[in-house]
Amino acid sequence: QQPVQSPQAVILREGEDAVINCSSSKALYSVHWYRQKHGEAPVFLMILLKGGEQKGHDKISASFNEKKQQSSLYLTASQLSYSGTYFCGERGSTLGRLYFGRGTQLTVWP
Amino acid sequence: DTEVTQTPKHLVMGMTNKKSLKCEQHMGHRAMYWYKQKAKKPPELMFVYSYEKLSINESVPSRFSPECPNSSLLNLHLHALQPEDSALYLCASSQDLSSGSEQYFGPGTRLTVT
Repeated sequence: QQPVQSPQAVILREGEDAVINCSSSKALYSVHWYRQKHGEAPVFLMILLKGGEQKGHDKISASFNEKKQQSSLYLTASQLSYSGTYFCGERGSTLGRLYFGRGTQLTVWP
Repeated sequence: DTEVTQTPKHLVMGMTNKKSLKCEQHMGHRAMYWYKQKAKKPPELMFVYSYEKLSINESVPSRFSPECPNSSLLNLHLHALQPEDSALYLCASSQDLSSGSEQYFGPGTRLTVT
């Protein structure tokens, strides 16, 4: 029922780029992206809605292919602060129900 | 202000105890959520409240009892828990239940059941 994220883990040097993918088996109304650092709460990054609308942080970019039910999060010129676990969440037709993927652990080294 | 507060931060309880977790937000949000998160796993939805009414119960055992006294407060009452219920319990809120409504999470209560 939950979306599938890939890769499971990424290790980067500061300044490098990364892409995290999220794929669903059902029709989506929106995709949500969150980052969680160890011992902290998940923090909202971005929402991508059916129809093309997006909202979120200026420094984060993402895409949503409604036909393929896939979303990708693009992290460019990574900084040490980008380290954490990234979760995508899928919103289907049921209001309020957000299912999270298993997460992608991103580590950025200096 | 995008803050959701939760108390307590840590809780240790025995299997026969009764305790409550509290969550508060002052963003005027009308939807509030309880999630359970085990180590290295994603948050799992437990309950959703919309306009102070229970909207979703994800087949959660009755030893967890949610309550929404008003639009700013959300409680989770715990009774006769099992050791496998030990986890991080996260509260979240959003403007409403629409697809474009982002959720803001509190720092969580780390629960240990002994």
